[in-house]
Amino acid sequence: EVQLVQSGAEVKKPGESLKISCQASGYTFTTHWIGWVRQMPGRGLEWMGIISPLDSDVRYSPSFQGQVKISVDKSINTAYLQWATLQASDTAVYYCARHVDTEYLGVTLFAVSIDSWGQGTRVTVSS
Amino acid sequence: VVTQEPSLTVSPGGTVTLTCASSTGAVATTFYPNWFQQKPGQAPMSLIYNTDNRHSWTPDRFSGSLLGGKAALTLSGAQPEDEAEYYCLLYYGGVRLFGGGTKVTVL
Repeated sequence: EVQLVQSGAEVKKPGESLKISCQASGYTFTTHWIGWVRQMPGRGLEWMGIISPLDSDVRYSPSFQGQVKISVDKSINTAYLQWATLQASDTAVYYCARHVDTEYLGVTLFAVSIDSWGQGTRVTVSS
Repeated sequence: VVTQEPSLTVSPGGTVTLTCASSTGAVATTFYPNWFQQKPGQAPMSLIYNTDNRHSWTPDRFSGSLLGGKAALTLSGAQPEDEAEYYCLLYYGGVRLFGGGTKVTVL
């Protein structure tokens, strides 16, 4: 059974740094891209970016490029999302999600679908 | 921008269709539409991938399709437990974008 287990809730002050995690189990970690999704209070889902655990290739949404860093440690089947300097507007629930490739005309299109989700990590940034 | 109906209401046992439109034009299978269900306080759950494929855990009352240039999710035989927010996700090559979500009320 695929499982994505995220780290616990965090309360931080503006200007602080933070790294949250997502540990995968139940499948070969390097075969699927892992992505991060933000959900601000009372709002919808926002796709932030993805990382390949195989080679640490990272792709960011333009909305989040330069704002966060996505990384991975394949030795412990864990993906990370980190901030160097938090702002109040980073207050949200963050989900990790396993992405799935698909084939189109003999070409592999990476990470076009999502099949599994972590339970979410609530991040509160407040002075 | 990916656009969904803000809210829809369906009677128990009834049928409702949610749609997902792209500001770039008609949604095709090459957008690989995904659909997700999210209940209050819970993580999203994946329902449909690549336009019309159910996951093994997806009830067969949910079906995906393309309809009038949009991706569509049809719920046939709505149950009270289907009351939730539903999101679509479209693939744009380098970027994936979620729709704003549709709140479905079963009443």
